[in-house]
Amino acid sequence: GESVGLHLPTLSVQEGDNSIINCAYSNSASDYFIWYKQESGKGPQFIIDIRSNMDKRQGQRVTVLLNKTVKHLSLQIAATQPGDSAVYFCAENGSSNTGKLIFGQGTTLQVKP
Amino acid sequence: DAGVIQSPRHEVTEMGQEVTLRCKPISGHDYLFWYRQTMMRGLELLIYFNNNVPIDDSGMPEDRFSAKMPNASFSTLKIQPSEPRDSAVYFCASSFGTSGFTDTQYFGPGTRLTVL
Repeated sequence: GESVGLHLPTLSVQEGDNSIINCAYSNSASDYFIWYKQESGKGPQFIIDIRSNMDKRQGQRVTVLLNKTVKHLSLQIAATQPGDSAVYFCAENGSSNTGKLIFGQGTTLQVKP
Repeated sequence: DAGVIQSPRHEVTEMGQEVTLRCKPISGHDYLFWYRQTMMRGLELLIYFNNNVPIDDSGMPEDRFSAKMPNASFSTLKIQPSEPRDSAVYFCASSFGTSGFTDTQYFGPGTRLTVL
């Protein structure tokens, strides 16, 4: 029978290249954003976060960019490695004080050796 | 810290049986979240607690699902009776809720539930 499910966007990159994963968030009141990485068979793992008073934040090989004007978030991975292959989720808080996060559907990153 | 601990990691049961999933949050965290992940619907928030009190259970699918947090270090998600459509990976996450700010949620490894 036909398989029905979420059709996650897929980004395929060559090992060593830079990757850019994009996310459009929904709530203009959101002031906290996170990127998670989920490898097969594992729970989502925190990568990097950013608050709305910043437009850029850097970690080790990763950079998050926030454009509040167009409600856009991106994750840049430098020198992509095979171990970076996973599903990447962005999340927003919707508004302060709730404690909860709203997750996007995810993007699959495939790294070609 | 060992991180968020979930048990069991895998559960296979028959339709109609009761299923109990367990979670131990990271020590000191005062928020606890239960999520369900499926291919069809992605990652869904079911319920979350703050200081052991349920805050929002609007994501709980129906009355067959219930969650408790009797103390700061333990929570359960119960399904009774279970149905095949409950088959999914269930994640528990916890966070340290800084006053006025949402904080990072840390996820457990998940429980893969299969209802036959």
